Amino acid sequence: GAVVSQHPSWVICKSGTSVKIECRSLDFQATTMFWYRQFPKQSLMLMATSNEGSKATYEQGVEKDKFLINHASLTLSTLTVTSAHPEDSSFYICSAPKQGRENGYTFGSGTRLTVV
Amino acid sequence: DQQVKQNSPSLSVQEGRISILNCDYTNSMFDYFLWYKKYPAEGPTFLISISSIKDKNEDGRFTVFLNKSAKHLSLHIVPSQPGDSAVYFCAASRVLRQLTFGSGTQLTVLP
Repeated sequence: GAVVSQHPSWVICKSGTSVKIECRSLDFQATTMFWYRQFPKQSLMLMATSNEGSKATYEQGVEKDKFLINHASLTLSTLTVTSAHPEDSSFYICSAPKQGRENGYTFGSGTRLTVV
Repeated sequence: DQQVKQNSPSLSVQEGRISILNCDYTNSMFDYFLWYKKYPAEGPTFLISISSIKDKNEDGRFTVFLNKSAKHLSLHIVPSQPGDSAVYFCAASRVLRQLTFGSGTQLTVLP
């Protein structure tokens, strides 16, 4: 249980366009979703935390106007990379806390974004 | 400020031997620690976790040890198998807040 489905798995887009990444909790309600970004051979870095029905909280250095996060329902959180540039090319992963303290966190399968 | 550190970027171990991956943290507020395994272009796969009220947790071939006084945790894999070859991340959190990840250790298990 506690599965997060993330789409798309990979996407190639042109500079200046926008890309939307979706994360859906399939069998539980995700009131909180964490969005991470990973550069090659580096750690997963938290970008922002989304909470259902309220504004997302962004980490320092993350442009909120560029990385739009929406958490309109308890089962869907989206990250939209607006006006994408090649330096936005990265691996994006969402994660949600599972039900109960000891059950940890579940991750989406990730989205490989390449901006050309 | 790197609150979770994995000082060894890589580790090679012979099949059948023990793999020991280490992780240090600085934030004493962390009360929950996890290890993840990650293959390229995939999301992390949860391996094992430990709460700060424990000092050891075991699940099959995986054992995590927590030394709170030293702010150190380690993951033991025994016996190591070639399929264990992956990047291993330790992560820490408090009260279901976001995870803070270490930089990862590439484990290579040699047949």
